Amino acid sequence: SQKIEQNSEALNIQEGKTATLTCNYTNYSPAYLQWYRQDPGRGPVFLLLIRENEKEKRKERLKVTFDTTLKQSLFHITASQPADSATYLCALNTGGFKTIFGAGTRLFVKA
Amino acid sequence: EPEVTQTPSHQVTQMGQEVILRCVPISNHLYFYWYRQILGQKVEFLVSFYNNEISEKSEIFDDQFSVERPDGSNFTLKIRSTKLEDSAMYFCASRGLERFRGTNEKLFFGSGTQLSVL
Repeated sequence: SQKIEQNSEALNIQEGKTATLTCNYTNYSPAYLQWYRQDPGRGPVFLLLIRENEKEKRKERLKVTFDTTLKQSLFHITASQPADSATYLCALNTGGFKTIFGAGTRLFVKA
Repeated sequence: EPEVTQTPSHQVTQMGQEVILRCVPISNHLYFYWYRQILGQKVEFLVSFYNNEISEKSEIFDDQFSVERPDGSNFTLKIRSTKLEDSAMYFCASRGLERFRGTNEKLFFGSGTQLSVL
């Protein structure tokens, strides 16, 4: 079955730096991949979606890449701020109606 | 922005009791989901619901679980006889059929119901 691995449980960076989070998946490449943000005690909030035929997608300070050869997506936050501190989840659709989530990477941005 | 609403925010129950978790999805959405998240663990898929029937379910979603859309607005998750290991945050999510800002795959989540089974 499809599995998602996110590279690290936690990532600490200094304010102003670029945070890079990794998402790897096994098995087949999904038609699209999504990134969500989750704050403690809250539901995930959608950030970006990238399709298999897209190499890169941007939204303000966020950038996502998708490499179907490596079976990997990278999520970048440029000019990071303490308010970006949260858990970031990679998600993909397994076909049909089911979307599964990775365990997430907790990002801490220090002022 | 439209929201998914979940009630109650916290539910405490005794082992073996039945609980019903309630959700009001976004009004023009057609796909509905329940996920759960045990403390410190990942968000796990439980079930998806479309066109008044379950479209997909996980191994977690056994006979103790059921879902219903009793009217045009509510979507409920029932756990018939709760166990200690059912303690978790339960999230409802919905998704639109029509394109929304260029995508219809985006899941909207509620704030969750924290279920504690004692």
